[in-house]
Amino acid sequence: GAVVSQHPSWVICKSGTSVKIECRSLDFQATTMFWYRQFPKQSLMLMATSNEGSKATYEQGVEKDKFLINHASLTLSTLTVTSAHPEDSSFYICSALGLAGFGQYFGPGTRLTVT
Amino acid sequence: SQQGEEDPQALSIQEGENATMNCSYKTSINNLQWYRQNSGRGLVHLILIRSNEREKHSGRLRVTLDTSKKSSSLLITASRAADTASYFCATETSGSRLTFGEGTQLTVNP
Repeated sequence: GAVVSQHPSWVICKSGTSVKIECRSLDFQATTMFWYRQFPKQSLMLMATSNEGSKATYEQGVEKDKFLINHASLTLSTLTVTSAHPEDSSFYICSALGLAGFGQYFGPGTRLTVT
Repeated sequence: SQQGEEDPQALSIQEGENATMNCSYKTSINNLQWYRQNSGRGLVHLILIRSNEREKHSGRLRVTLDTSKKSSSLLITASRAADTASYFCATETSGSRLTFGEGTQLTVNP
């Protein structure tokens, strides 16, 4: 089946630094990827839709200058959390859109802790 | 904002019993999906039911969809301790965007 990987699986960074998270579709091409955020004991919230070769579409309330998304190839999307703060600590999950009607394939998630 | 609501928020049952989780939503959808998440891990896709379908089965899973009531249910039969996880419904709308429900934490006691 389709596999999506994320790197790193966990990261600890200091407040004010930037962190890049990668999302890769390993055995299929994904023109569309999605980025979600999940706080402890809460549901997933869609942050943005990443389209290969074009600008990402951000959900209401998500700062595009803080969460930079780049989808430079059909198998890779990156999310950069700029000037991270402790409140950005969360579980970030990406997904890649598969063939029509077969839903999204989710990555294993990246645990970000900002100290 | 989250449009999906699930109940119960938490469910504790004994092994062998059936578990039923419900999901309600507010807008028109293309399909509704159920996912499972073990603590601190990624999502596992369980089943997808299209808006023109009413019921779907997959192994011990049974999903129903009532578009007139904008609701869905997930039934897990003959539960096992390994079924302990959080279960989320997600509705797909235009652009393949998914909106997740609040989730149900299922605990199956051996």
